[in-house]
Order: sequence, then C-alpha cells, then structure tokens
Amino acid sequence: SQQGEEDPQALSIQEGENATMNCSYKTSINNLQWYRQNSGRGLVHLILIRSNEREKHSGRLRVTLDTSKKSSSLLITASRAADTASYFCATVLGSGNTGKLIFGQGTTLQVKP
Amino acid sequence: SQTIHQWPATLVQPVGSPLSLECTVEGTSNPNLYWYRQAAGRGLQLLFYSVGIGQISSEVPQNLSASRPQDRQFILSSKKLLLSDSGFYLCACSRGRTDTQYFGPGTRLTVL
Repeated sequence: SQQGEEDPQALSIQEGENATMNCSYKTSINNLQWYRQNSGRGLVHLILIRSNEREKHSGRLRVTLDTSKKSSSLLITASRAADTASYFCATVLGSGNTGKLIFGQGTTLQVKP
Repeated sequence: SQTIHQWPATLVQPVGSPLSLECTVEGTSNPNLYWYRQAAGRGLQLLFYSVGIGQISSEVPQNLSASRPQDRQFILSSKKLLLSDSGFYLCACSRGRTDTQYFGPGTRLTVL
C-alpha cells in the first residue's frame, strides 16, 4: 500500500488565505520531502525535513513532522494564485533503502484570485 | 547547482515500437540517478535507480529497461512499447541516497 498519503485530495481557497495539506506515512523514515508540480511540468523541491526535526520554514512555507503520528503537514501562508499546483509528499525510508522516494498521490491546490 | 535535461519533451509512439528516453545531468558528479513514471493524476512511481556507471536496479517488473553508459547520462528504453507504457516520465538526481532529489522537466509519452 501507499507509504505516503496526502489529505485532502483537493483544496480550493481564496487568494490571501492559508492552505494546509497533510501527509501520513506507514514506516520509519530518514526524511520527508515536499514537492510542487505545476500542470504537465516536472517537480520542484520545496522542503526536506529530517526525522529528527519537528519544523522547518522556507519563506511562506512551514512544514511540520510528527514521527510519533507518522504525519507531516505543509502550510502555505498568504496564498497566491501562482501557488495553484499539485503538492506531493515523499518519504525516504529509514533503513535498507536506496534513497528512493515513495510518493503520495498528491493534493491539488487551487488558489482563486 | 545541478541541471537535469530530458528529451524529447513529448513523444507519440505506436504500440510495438522501440523507445529511448535520455536524461543528462550537469553541475554534479557521481550522482544517484532515478527514473520515475507518473500516471495521469497520480503520484510518482520509481522505475529504476543507479548509483554509478553500469549499475542499474529495477524497482518494478515491466516492459522497460535502463542504462547508464556515462556518469551523468541515464537512458530509459523499451524494445516494444505497450499501451500501458503511456505516462509522464521523470528523471531525477541526488548527491546521496538520502539527499534532496532534483527532477528534470519530464517526457510525456503517449503510446497509441
């Protein structure tokens, strides 16, 4: 079954509002990464958070990680129309792995101007 | 910083025809390289990864193969395409196995 699962599958908000996306996973991880994908394009790396970290910030992005609950959240503050995209979490397993990323199905975010 | 090139950007091929997708990386040496496939509206699935020249590991049994003839070149191939091979193919690289992976622009393959 899928290692990472995002929630919600789709989110529609007004420009200026905050957007929160959640990701759950099943097994122990080395790190968790968030990516953005604009329609038909490649993935853009947003943030990497390691298993011993609880929170990271990058500009308007805030990522939290709760290893006890095996979950992470991505918060985009003061959203803009340009934030419209699909957002994926991906995990790197904690042991015996090749560094492969296991992706969730993604959250589609629409920010209305 | 690294730059990943993929070509072609789009490709339409008939069933049964061969396939060759190329990925090259600039700005880093001895990277880990990955091929992913993304079905429409879905997340990415790892197909192959490579930690060095000539070293290829397959994650999913399928109709595809990969090769790494040079340090920064990664090729995805098929002898005979199937309809189910249609999708968006993404190449990625990382410095180490737990480091950030950076993705190329992707190739959209349609098999008719």
